[in-house]
Amino acid sequence: DIQMTQSPSSLSASVGDRVTITCRTSQDITNYLTWYQQKPGKAPNLLIYAASSLQSGVPSRFSGNGFGTDFTLTISSLQPEDFATYYCQQSYSTPWTFGQGTKVEIK
Amino acid sequence: EVQLVESGGGLVQPGGSLRLSCAASGFTFSSYNMNWVRQAPGKGLEWISYISSSSNIIYYADSVKGRFTISRDNAKNSLSLQMNSLRAEDTAVYYCARGGSGYHYVDYWGQGTLVTVSS
Repeated sequence: DIQMTQSPSSLSASVGDRVTITCRTSQDITNYLTWYQQKPGKAPNLLIYAASSLQSGVPSRFSGNGFGTDFTLTISSLQPEDFATYYCQQSYSTPWTFGQGTKVEIK
Repeated sequence: EVQLVESGGGLVQPGGSLRLSCAASGFTFSSYNMNWVRQAPGKGLEWISYISSSSNIIYYADSVKGRFTISRDNAKNSLSLQMNSLRAEDTAVYYCARGGSGYHYVDYWGQGTLVTVSS
């Protein structure tokens, strides 16, 4: 199975901050990497697919980058509605696996 | 508007069975691959099963293989998950999830249904 390592597991940030979350995979997955946002008690929401493609309707302050084994999700200017948990997922090979999540909290 | 509505969750004893259903609307169900993803209380996401649009390709996570069966009825726009030999570690919110094209990501999720396995 492909192992996913997200870092950090949590972070505190202020509105307006630039935030970067990292996801590292145990083997090359080319660009089969997806990012989701999840708020408490809600289903996840798709942000980025194919490592860097922004899902329709997602604000442009979200961006994804990376190829191979190292990937990043960046929020260019954190907004109040962005406080949530973020997950990466690889879909290169089954079982499709998720990172453990990064909780973004208010400083 | 894409809608995925799960049902069938509840409390079940260890070793018991449960069948989850997902009613899909707002899109051409027969054209999309579908998934089940679960989330144990306070934990992260776990993909557990995939079925292709025509049911010819099915995958399972090792944690449920041999116990769970995914199926779909394209005529009724419905997805199902038959869960047998349930264990305490199967306790989770189960999400019905539509597959995006090409990269096997999930582009739409249901609201989830809670399955609790406990005596």
